[in-house]
Amino acid sequence: RKEVEQDPGPFNVPEGATVAFNCTYSNSASQSFFWYRQDCRKEPKLLMSVYSSGNEDGRFTAQLNRASQYISLLIRDSKLSDSATYLCVVPNDYKLSFGAGTTVTVRA
Amino acid sequence: DVKVTQSSRYLVKRTGEKVFLECVQDMDHENMFWYRQDPGLGLRLIYFSYDVKMKEKGDIPEGYSVSREKKERFSLILESASTNQTSMYLCASSLGQGKSGNTIYFGEGSWLTVV
Repeated sequence: RKEVEQDPGPFNVPEGATVAFNCTYSNSASQSFFWYRQDCRKEPKLLMSVYSSGNEDGRFTAQLNRASQYISLLIRDSKLSDSATYLCVVPNDYKLSFGAGTTVTVRA
Repeated sequence: DVKVTQSSRYLVKRTGEKVFLECVQDMDHENMFWYRQDPGLGLRLIYFSYDVKMKEKGDIPEGYSVSREKKERFSLILESASTNQTSMYLCASSLGQGKSGNTIYFGEGSWLTVV
């Protein structure tokens, strides 16, 4: 089993829609989690950190389900500028395990 | 603002050449990382370092070496470049242990093509 797995998508949604996707992880001892956003041919940038049950930042909500070992990211009122690949990241000691990313495309 | 700088953004090298990719961070971070990113494979860790002159192999170290002589600089070396090392290389750094310390910051990436 991979350390971090994501639905690759793509998720194609209209502007204003809500889109949500999950990330599952294998290390039950993981305490913190991150969502990064990566635009085409650019470096990943931190979107959100998740340390407890969840986190909310504007239109973005991350939720953690420790029992089932997954983290979700929900985007409300999608904007065209939300089109990107979203990477789930799970720390493991000094290392970080990355999911392969979920691609979201928001259309006008 | 956090800054991780990769000086070489786009390189084209010949098979067998020695390639140096340089990375500098200005945040006094302890940990530095080199990843490569390929379509469908995500980010894969090549090497990381948690202190000056310290290095640890990541998941795919074969064909690569690293150097960390100073805290702010972490170099990736391809001793003899091969075509399967054509990729985007991402350098990153993080402060250290602890929750917030695990936040990782990336450089803009180095696009390497080996012909």
